[in-house]
Amino acid sequence: GQNIDQPTEMTATEGAIVQINCTYQTSGFNGLFWYQQHAGEAPTFLSYNVLDGLEEKGRFSSFLSRSKGYSYLLLKELQMKDSASYLCAVRDPGGNKLVFGAGTILRVKS
Amino acid sequence: EAQVTQNPRYLITVTGKKLTVTCSQNMNHEYMSWYRQDPGLGLRQIYYSMNVEVTDKGDVPEGYKVSRKEKRNFPLILESPSPNQTSLYFCASSLGPGLHTGELFFGEGSRLTVL
Repeated sequence: GQNIDQPTEMTATEGAIVQINCTYQTSGFNGLFWYQQHAGEAPTFLSYNVLDGLEEKGRFSSFLSRSKGYSYLLLKELQMKDSASYLCAVRDPGGNKLVFGAGTILRVKS
Repeated sequence: EAQVTQNPRYLITVTGKKLTVTCSQNMNHEYMSWYRQDPGLGLRQIYYSMNVEVTDKGDVPEGYKVSRKEKRNFPLILESPSPNQTSLYFCASSLGPGLHTGELFFGEGSRLTVL
């Protein structure tokens, strides 16, 4: 089976940097995803890591360490519109299933 | 516009009354999946389909059925809904797990209440 842990809630200030952590315990690994979900809306894809290291995409970066079962999503220059839930998800070795963590609610305050 | 469309978006029904939530995608995706989202539990996979006529159970399939007769459609059927199936349901599609990143494209969600 797969178990994915992420903090329930975080608060950060507009313009700051925030790091959202995700740890996972899996019987195999075939990629890790981050999705953003605004309240009342569908999740949207942010990033994908399958190899160790940092993937940068504009203000958002995602890091993976497979040996530690650890990932983080880094959001820079926070904006109010970044207030959302951030979902960490791990793909099973067969590649057919994506298992999600419960999500981290990020609140950005001015 | 590339999209995944679910209907209905909102539904209140009663225990035991069969219902179907439709899902259609216009991106020619092979892979489709249904999730339910409950507070504190995140998104949990109900069923998925790798291609036409190929479906398999996810983590919480009890009480649900699916079919994949056409590539674009993947309806979710609740034969005899119960209150514990009250949830927010998302349909999603992707090119396929082995293709590109396999990122999922989600529909807008269907909020179902079973009384």
